Amino acid sequence: NAGVMQNPRHLVRRRGQEARLRCSPMKGHSHVYWYRQLPEEGLKFMVYLQKENIIDESGMPKERFSAEFPKEGPSILRIQQVVRGDSAAYFCASSPQRPGHSTDEQYFGPGTRLTVT
Amino acid sequence: AQSVTQLDSHVSVSEGTPVLLRCNYSSSYSPSLFWYVQHPNKGLQLLLKYTSAATLVKGINGFEAEFKKSETSFHLTKPSAHMSDAAEYFCVVTFSGTYKYIFGTGTRLKVLA
Repeated sequence: NAGVMQNPRHLVRRRGQEARLRCSPMKGHSHVYWYRQLPEEGLKFMVYLQKENIIDESGMPKERFSAEFPKEGPSILRIQQVVRGDSAAYFCASSPQRPGHSTDEQYFGPGTRLTVT
Repeated sequence: AQSVTQLDSHVSVSEGTPVLLRCNYSSSYSPSLFWYVQHPNKGLQLLLKYTSAATLVKGINGFEAEFKKSETSFHLTKPSAHMSDAAEYFCVVTFSGTYKYIFGTGTRLKVLA
């Protein structure tokens, strides 16, 4: 069973461009979470999605950031008009069960390292 | 509010000596606790987890951690460090019925030859 896949692994964007980060959850997982890791910090929760639904986006910046998890295909984290402060590692995680279930452990992907120049 | 504190940002040990990475949490509820390891430019790998069963948890690669409720601690230990253990380690707390993993700021472990 392949793990959580993220691509690209490294992404360089100039200020003002758009960044699209993709996450394919593990097979059979229908819950996806995005986290951001700023330099020298731990990961911070951004958003929780199920297929076609955003469950909790309380950790997302109010502007320029959006996420989706369509019925078919990977989850996408989209950052419009990137700024230098968006430079970070973005990790996706997936889980097989609804939160609170005994097997709700999150499995993390390798991350996408975004650099804004 | 729930939080987790990793007391040391950097730890250096000699190969073959014990490892201790400290983690304290604050919570009004019974937590689930995890330790993850992140090797350079790699993703997060789960080392071990505590979910209200045995308080001494054994993980992969010889690591273990003990949940001490009275001290609100979940320190990670290994009897003998190996060069391949050099990495960043994150203590994570979450709570039953929630999905937001709360990460510590990480401890970078250096293993000296």
